[in-house]
Amino acid sequence: EAGVAQSPRYKIIEKRQSVAFWCNPISGHATLYWYQQILGQGPKLLIQFQNNGVVDDSQLPKDRFSAERLKGVDSTLKIQPAKLEDSAVYLCASSPRRTGELFFGEGSRLTVL
Amino acid sequence: TQLLEQSPQFLSIQEGENLTVYCNSSSVFSSLQWYRQEPGEGPVLLVTVVTGGEVKKLKRLTFQFGDARKDSSLHITAAQPGDTGLYLCAGVGSNYQLIWGAGTKLIIKP
Repeated sequence: EAGVAQSPRYKIIEKRQSVAFWCNPISGHATLYWYQQILGQGPKLLIQFQNNGVVDDSQLPKDRFSAERLKGVDSTLKIQPAKLEDSAVYLCASSPRRTGELFFGEGSRLTVL
Repeated sequence: TQLLEQSPQFLSIQEGENLTVYCNSSSVFSSLQWYRQEPGEGPVLLVTVVTGGEVKKLKRLTFQFGDARKDSSLHITAAQPGDTGLYLCAGVGSNYQLIWGAGTKLIIKP
């Protein structure tokens, strides 16, 4: 069974530029999460999808972050414009159900200069 | 707001020693998950505990869910360098929200 795929693995941009991350969850997983993780800390939920609907985006900085999950399968997370404090690893995870085990991708490490 | 406090934040011990990591909350969780994350990787689930008082063992790792389902512990016996990583607990709270601890960075020195 293929795992959660994320790209790119690494991205370096200047502040005020834009960036997009892509995630392809495990086939059949209805729930998809985007997390932000600062080095050595626990993940912070940015947005949770159930199929193609948003369940929780209360911690998403909506003035600069956006996310979509078209057709309830893969998802993109966009940051525009980026700030220095956005430097982090962006983790995508999927789950077969809302309270189930999360399967994580390897993450996309963003550095904003 | 439900919170999950994890301690210690950082632990560095010698190979062969025992250790315990704690996750505590004033809130009740329907279940609690433990993950381990290695550098450059995403977290990987170790175990899910569901019933109050439940104890689960995974080789040298022992997980316990508190009787009131507000706290949990992870005990590692005879730690090995391969146990090095970031240990994360996550509780399933109200509205099916997953509440994460801040993590325990564990280093096992050979």
